[in-house]
Amino acid sequence: EVLLVESGGGLVQTGRSLRLSCAASGFTFDDYALHWVRQAPGKGLEWVSGISWDSSNIAYADSVKGRFTISRDNAKNSLYLQMNSLRTEDTALYYCAKGQVAGPFDYWGQGALVTVSS
Amino acid sequence: QSVLTQPPSVSGAPGQRVTISCTGSSSNIGAGYDVHWYQQLPGTAPKLLIYGNSNRPSGVPGRFSGSESGTSASLAISGLQAEDEADYYCQTYDRSLSGVVFGGGTKLTVL
Repeated sequence: EVLLVESGGGLVQTGRSLRLSCAASGFTFDDYALHWVRQAPGKGLEWVSGISWDSSNIAYADSVKGRFTISRDNAKNSLYLQMNSLRTEDTALYYCAKGQVAGPFDYWGQGALVTVSS
Repeated sequence: QSVLTQPPSVSGAPGQRVTISCTGSSSNIGAGYDVHWYQQLPGTAPKLLIYGNSNRPSGVPGRFSGSESGTSASLAISGLQAEDEADYYCQTYDRSLSGVVFGGGTKLTVL
């Protein structure tokens, strides 16, 4: 069974940093690209960042470019999102998703809630 | 403003057929990138519903179908059931943005 479990969410003040993790199991981790997708309260899905199986291809949404850094550790079957200079508009449920570089995303985690307060 | 445009809401009675449109541009759907659809039931994570424009993952009922033409794509749901009430999102890749894009989402209400 494929499982993606996010952790590291919480309440943080504007301008501070937070690191999300996603622990994966049930599939060959280094065969797939991974992504972070977020959903602000009551809003739609927003793609945040994606990373290829070997970390050679990394992309970010314009809204987070220069502030967020995606990475993965294939030896630990883990995906990360380092979030710096957080803003109130970054408040959202952050999902880890497995799939191809351009989609589709065939499995999703349950999400980690990040709340940024001023 | 999303790169992919979806109607905010659609509705239909049980047993009816509804369609949800997803309009893009020459830098995404029109450039030949596949469209994928997701269903998000209230309080849950999104679930892949259609991939590669018209393919259903194992376990997705045949009532759900997808199509693509030009710069647009559509999701059709026939034989509507109460359990289909959810938010639906289209997704593709945009070469101008060099990234994945989602539609704004469509809320389906089963009357």
